[in-house]
Amino acid sequence: GAVVSQHPSWVICKSGTSVKIECRSLDFQATTMFWYRQFPKQSLMLMATSNEGSKATYEQGVEKDKFLINHASLTLSTLTVTSAHPEDSSFYICSARDLVGVQETQYFGPGTRLLVL
Amino acid sequence: QKEVEQDPGPLSVPEGAIVSLNCTYSNSAFQYFMWYRQYSRKGPELLMYTYSSGNKEDGRFTAQVDKSSKYISLFIRDSQPSDSATYLCAFRFSGGYNKLIFGAGTRLAVHP
Repeated sequence: GAVVSQHPSWVICKSGTSVKIECRSLDFQATTMFWYRQFPKQSLMLMATSNEGSKATYEQGVEKDKFLINHASLTLSTLTVTSAHPEDSSFYICSARDLVGVQETQYFGPGTRLLVL
Repeated sequence: QKEVEQDPGPLSVPEGAIVSLNCTYSNSAFQYFMWYRQYSRKGPELLMYTYSSGNKEDGRFTAQVDKSSKYISLFIRDSQPSDSATYLCAFRFSGGYNKLIFGAGTRLAVHP
């Protein structure tokens, strides 16, 4: 299957700082990428849909000014957690949409673990 | 009623057992049905992708979809300790917005 990478894989930061997470599709172009967060022993919660060349679409309850998303190219989307606080500590996972013929599939990155002190 | 229902488990089975994982859903507009496997502290990995009622087999895995009953299953034959993970069912509408709707995930433990 297609490969999606994330960087960094984990990050520890102080409260009030901003953290940027990169998501890359390595062997395919993705016009659409998705950002999720996941708390321990819970399922994935979609935060936003990132479209190349346009503004991201945020899910209800997700603060767009806090979670800045930029889909700069067909292989790169970034999530910036601004002014991070301890409650933002979570596992952040991106996925990229791959369309082969009529089959559309989402491939997930390995995730980024964020700990805000 | 939740859009997707999936028993979170945990489900513990001996090595070699046949495992049955299930999800029910309420939205008849779902057209695509997927199963993902997620190891601890890793991103989900696509296991099976189907879009019609019936069975689809891939190695030790069989995905079953029953649209009339709004029910999907994943069967794992000859389960191995390496199958220990959380299994997530996922659903998608056709066309338009491509959001996946996930089940809560079932934690599976296969012990030697």
